[in-house]
Amino acid sequence: AQSVTQPDIHITVSEGASLELRCNYSYGATPYLFWYVQSPGQGLQLLLKYFSGDTLVQGIKGFEAEFKRSQSSFNLRKPSVHWSDAAEYFCAVGNNNNDMRFGAGTRLTVKP
Amino acid sequence: NAGVMQNPRHLVRRRGQEARLRCSPMKGHSHVYWYRQLPEEGLKFMVYLQKENIIDESGMPKERFSAEFPKEGPSILRIQQVVRGDSAAYFCASSQTQEVYNSPLHFGNGTRLTVT
Repeated sequence: AQSVTQPDIHITVSEGASLELRCNYSYGATPYLFWYVQSPGQGLQLLLKYFSGDTLVQGIKGFEAEFKRSQSSFNLRKPSVHWSDAAEYFCAVGNNNNDMRFGAGTRLTVKP
Repeated sequence: NAGVMQNPRHLVRRRGQEARLRCSPMKGHSHVYWYRQLPEEGLKFMVYLQKENIIDESGMPKERFSAEFPKEGPSILRIQQVVRGDSAAYFCASSQTQEVYNSPLHFGNGTRLTVT
């Protein structure tokens, strides 16, 4: 069965600084990988996804993620964080039938 | 273009009462998923339904919890005889097809259940 680990429960960065959120997955076959963002009191919004092809994927709001098979990782990055990026971020792994498993999430705080 | 609609947004129940959570998927979506989010935890899969069928309920507790997605109307997650441990945010998601490649999940804003 697939599983996801997000090692960092909480990260604080200064506005304008770069960001990297870590995600490690466990899955026997080629995974489908996702990053979602959740603002307080809201549902989850899809940031980006990886199925195949180019291992560097671009998403919305200036986010990107890189799939590294050798490290079983799918880390999320943003070169310059904005205050509005403060939220909780979830990594998820699935197969092709929408059977998805989510990580516990990383809460991002942005300092002025 | 309404997204996934969940109601109520907040629900307070006393121990032993029943909780009914409703989810209307996006227009054109016939696949519905329910997830539970406990404080400081990620989303835990509960159940996957298509119209009139439960496809996967491997994440549902064996007792007190049930789900349906009738031919007409919203999907319902029903919790009987609620206990304090049921307090959580319950999220519904929908997709157009079963294949994530073609149709990623779209989430509602959740129902926050508080059991007093």
